[in-house]
Amino acid sequence: SAVISQKPSRDICQRGTSLTIQCQVDSQVTMMFWYRQQPGQSLTLIATANQGSEATYESGFVIDKFPISRPNLTFSTLTVSNMSPEDSSIYLCSGSRGALNTQYFGPGTRLTVL
Amino acid sequence: QKEVEQNSGPLSVPEGAIASLNCTYSDRVSQSFFWYRQYSGKSPELIMSIYSNGDKEDGRFTAQLNKASQYVSLLIRDSQPSDSATYLCAVKIPLGGSEKLVFGKGTKLTVNP
Repeated sequence: SAVISQKPSRDICQRGTSLTIQCQVDSQVTMMFWYRQQPGQSLTLIATANQGSEATYESGFVIDKFPISRPNLTFSTLTVSNMSPEDSSIYLCSGSRGALNTQYFGPGTRLTVL
Repeated sequence: QKEVEQNSGPLSVPEGAIASLNCTYSDRVSQSFFWYRQYSGKSPELIMSIYSNGDKEDGRFTAQLNKASQYVSLLIRDSQPSDSATYLCAVKIPLGGSEKLVFGKGTKLTVNP
């Protein structure tokens, strides 16, 4: 498997503010991803975090709302900008490793927006 | 058509029984398939991966893949109450020069003592 940590583990934020989530992975990880899991739903890919360049976003997700950085191989951040209650979700970082790029997940960040 | 479909359940089985979880996918070029287990309030945990047609066994878990039918399943033998969780089927789909993992909605399994 892979060692992946995230912080914060949870936060309660006010509407209109921004929150930055950090993800640290072990050195065996090659690719990093950010997912959102809304209450009672499955996982939706937000973007692939690319080292040293702009992230690759999925349809429905934009850089202005979810800016992502990956300054080096083992660290990435996701910012949820100008939050609204609809952004209340669990945000998950994942990393892939191995010849078949199997993905492993961090513990997640539970975000509540009031 | 949704890319990855699972019966949402809930699926309830008695302790010691076999639990059968099913998943179908729409993209014929998919080559890699995964089952994740997610306990309530926790993040997904990889339990099985399968790439070739047929069965793959790991302890009490058996994954089955049929690419012609675009069908993948997970069998849990001798189910235990600790197996109670949501099981997510995930399919790796080519995306330009890369690839991405697409998840089904998950099947909630309850194993009754």
